[in-house]
Amino acid sequence: NAGVMQNPRHLVRRRGQEARLRCSPMKGHSHVYWYRQLPEEGLKFMVYLQKENIIDESGMPKERFSAEFPKEGPSILRIQQVVRGDSAAYFCASSPYGGRYNEQFFGPGTRLTVL
Amino acid sequence: AQTVTQSQPEMSVQEAETVTLSCTYDTSESDYYLFWYKQPPSRQMILVIRQEAYKQQNATENRFSVNFQKAAKSFSLKISDSQLGDAAMYFCAYRSAGVGAGNMLTFGGGTRLMVKP
Repeated sequence: NAGVMQNPRHLVRRRGQEARLRCSPMKGHSHVYWYRQLPEEGLKFMVYLQKENIIDESGMPKERFSAEFPKEGPSILRIQQVVRGDSAAYFCASSPYGGRYNEQFFGPGTRLTVL
Repeated sequence: AQTVTQSQPEMSVQEAETVTLSCTYDTSESDYYLFWYKQPPSRQMILVIRQEAYKQQNATENRFSVNFQKAAKSFSLKISDSQLGDAAMYFCAYRSAGVGAGNMLTFGGGTRLMVKP
């Protein structure tokens, strides 16, 4: 059973470009979480999605950031018009279900560098 | 909102010795989970140990154990017989467990553990 997969592992963008980060949850998992880790800091929650629904986006910046988890295919975190401050590691985690007993399994992360 | 604090940015331990990493948290909830994650240089987040707040018994996983003090809101990690492979960043994390609670993890700022041969 493959773990959570993220691609690309490294992404370089110039200021003003768009960044698309992909996350394929573990087989059978229908809940996805995105976290951001700035250099020398802990992970910060961004958004929680189920298939075709955003459940909690309280950690997501109001502008330029969006996320989706379609019925088919991976979850996508999209950052428009990137700025240097967006440089960070972005982690995806998945769980089989929400609620009390969910266990979140993390992917290897995507390191975004904005030049 | 919950907060998690790790007051030790860096710790160092001699191989085969024991080290304790500190974590405190702030919450008004009574039902929650606490975790320790390890992040080696590969950056992969690895779950080390989990504690359920309603359980009084401290969790243990092989060489890893916790000291959970609910009243003090303290959750320290003890690593016994430290090995070179234990060198990593360690993050303490909190998650609500109540009905209708958010499922997100709240992380501390991390402690970098160095293991000396």
